[in-house]
Formats: sequence, C-alpha cells, structure tokens
Amino acid sequence: AQSVTQLDSQVPVFEEAPVELRCNYSSSVSVYLFWYVQYPNQGLQLLLKYLSGSTLVKGINGFEAEFNKSQTSFHLRKPSVHISDTAEYFCAVSFSGNTPLVFGKGTRLSVIA
Amino acid sequence: DTEVTQTPKHLVMGMTNKKSLKCEQHMGHRAMYWYKQKAKKPPELMFVYSYEKLSINESVPSRFSPECPNSSLLNLHLHALQPEDSALYLCASSPFGSSDTQYFGPGTRLTVL
Repeated sequence: AQSVTQLDSQVPVFEEAPVELRCNYSSSVSVYLFWYVQYPNQGLQLLLKYLSGSTLVKGINGFEAEFNKSQTSFHLRKPSVHISDTAEYFCAVSFSGNTPLVFGKGTRLSVIA
Repeated sequence: DTEVTQTPKHLVMGMTNKKSLKCEQHMGHRAMYWYKQKAKKPPELMFVYSYEKLSINESVPSRFSPECPNSSLLNLHLHALQPEDSALYLCASSPFGSSDTQYFGPGTRLTVL
C-alpha cells in the first residue's frame, strides 16, 4: 500500500541549531514530493517540492530537502532554526497519475529560545 | 500570485442551520479541493473538482454539499451538521490535477453547537 510516514511527531530544538524532519514513503511508482508548513490557526503553505531533476531541493525560509530514491525518503533540513519556525510540518506525496495527495501525520517543530 | 481566499474566517452554527463556505482563486487553476482538518491531524480530502466537475467524493456525508459555479469559485454548503463536524475546512487549488502542486487557502474555522 502507498503510504507516507513522518517518523517524529514532535521535534524540540534550540534556536540557531540545525534540524532535520524525516519523511519516508512506500511506493514502487514515480512520486512527486512536497513539504508544507502550517502555523497556528492558518492554512498550509508550500515550503518546497520535488517533481524531477536535482535531488536537492531548496525552498522558502532557508529550508531544503533531499530526495533519496533508494531509501524512499524526502527529509527536510534547515541549518539554523529561528523561533518563527515553530509550526507543524507536513510531508505529502502524490503517487503516480492523478491520485489524491497523501499526507504524513505531521511533525510539530518547537524552537526553544 | 498564489493566493486562495476563503470566507468566512470563522463560523459558528447550530445543528439546524444552513450555511455555506466560499473559496476563490484567480490563478487559472482547473482543479479545486475541499479538505477537513481536525486538531493535531493532517488534512483529510473531502471533494475534488476537476474542470468544474466533481471528480472525487471521499464518502463524505450528504450534509456536506459541494458546488463549483465556475472555474474560480468553490462552495461548500452545510446543513444539519453534527458537533463532530467542527474543524478547520481548507480549500486548495492546483493547475490541473491532484499530482500538481496544491495551494491552500487560510481555512474556515467551523464550530457546530
């Protein structure tokens, strides 16, 4: 079955420290990969996406992610986090064709001053 | 401009009320979506409209009735809701279909008394 797993439900990190939020998916077909961020009481904002090409993708707010086909992963990274990065982060995958987007359960990033 | 707008921002309704949620985009996108999001959970897909035709209905109860009057507008008509329907309702749009990048609106926070 096609699924998306975000391994950590909560990640606390100190301000200016690096962070990695993990996302794995299970699929034998081509995928499109997305990371969205949701601040409290707001909608989802697209951080970055992988459709094809370079496996290292740069997004907004200093975030980047790397597509690893052999490990079926799309981990999100930031070298130095800010208090304002505190939010819920969702990994989402579109499995081949015009199929609905599948979301992971989300990771709550809490940046501590 | 990647903006999806939703009105109202907040809605409180009784179980016998009829109300509507509205969503609008002017990006020329041909696919529009309604999602329901409960607290600390990922969005759950409710409906997909593709080229103004309902293409996906994820077994949503009939008390939720979607409508797509034109390619820019999407409505969700609500009638005889239950308290468990209280949630954040998110609208999204994408250029063509589910495998494209989806852009989300800010959501409508619905409370059913």
